[in-house]
Amino acid sequence: DIQMTQSPSTLSASVGDRVTITCRASQSISSWLAWYQQKPGKAPKLLIYKASSLESGVPSRFSGSGSGTEFTLTISSLQPDDFATYYCQQCNFYWTFGQGTKVEIK
Amino acid sequence: QLQLQESGPGLVKPSETLSLTCTVSGGSISSSSYYWGWIRQPPGKGLEWIATIYDSGSTYYNSSLKSRVTISVDTSKTQFSLKLSSVTAADTAVYYCARDLTYGPSGGRAFDIWGQGTLVTVSS
Repeated sequence: DIQMTQSPSTLSASVGDRVTITCRASQSISSWLAWYQQKPGKAPKLLIYKASSLESGVPSRFSGSGSGTEFTLTISSLQPDDFATYYCQQCNFYWTFGQGTKVEIK
Repeated sequence: QLQLQESGPGLVKPSETLSLTCTVSGGSISSSSYYWGWIRQPPGKGLEWIATIYDSGSTYYNSSLKSRVTISVDTSKTQFSLKLSSVTAADTAVYYCARDLTYGPSGGRAFDIWGQGTLVTVSS
């Protein structure tokens, strides 16, 4: 099975900060990676697919990069609505989620 | 606008079988671009993929749950279902159904549409 490891587990940041979350796969997954945002009590929302493609309707301050085993999600200027938990997910071989990164207010 | 809605008992006794249905409305369940999946989230924890099905009937299961899980699809009812047998307290979670969309031949894929989730508690 492919394991996905996110870092950090928790990130404290302020509005306007540039935020980067890392996701590492236990083996190469090419670009078969998606990123989701989840707020308490809500279903996850798709942000990025194929490592760097922005889902329709998602603000351009979100971007993704990487291939192979290392990937990043960047929020260029953190907004109040962005405080949430973020998950990466591989779909190269079956499906696996990372453990999540909580972005909290500093 | 395609919508997904989970339904099923909110309380299941230990050792029994959890059964959930996801109803797809506002669109087709049959397409070469769609797979359909179940994901769960224990209280306060992360997301765990459970199973995925293609409308042809091809199924894919999380290896850690494979012996207890069955996913099926009923295209005539635009529904797909999950059965998880021999449940324990560790199976208490919010269960989500979701559409796995393929963005063209090399365009990647992701769970792009999700149901609101349903909490299933395993307790006697």
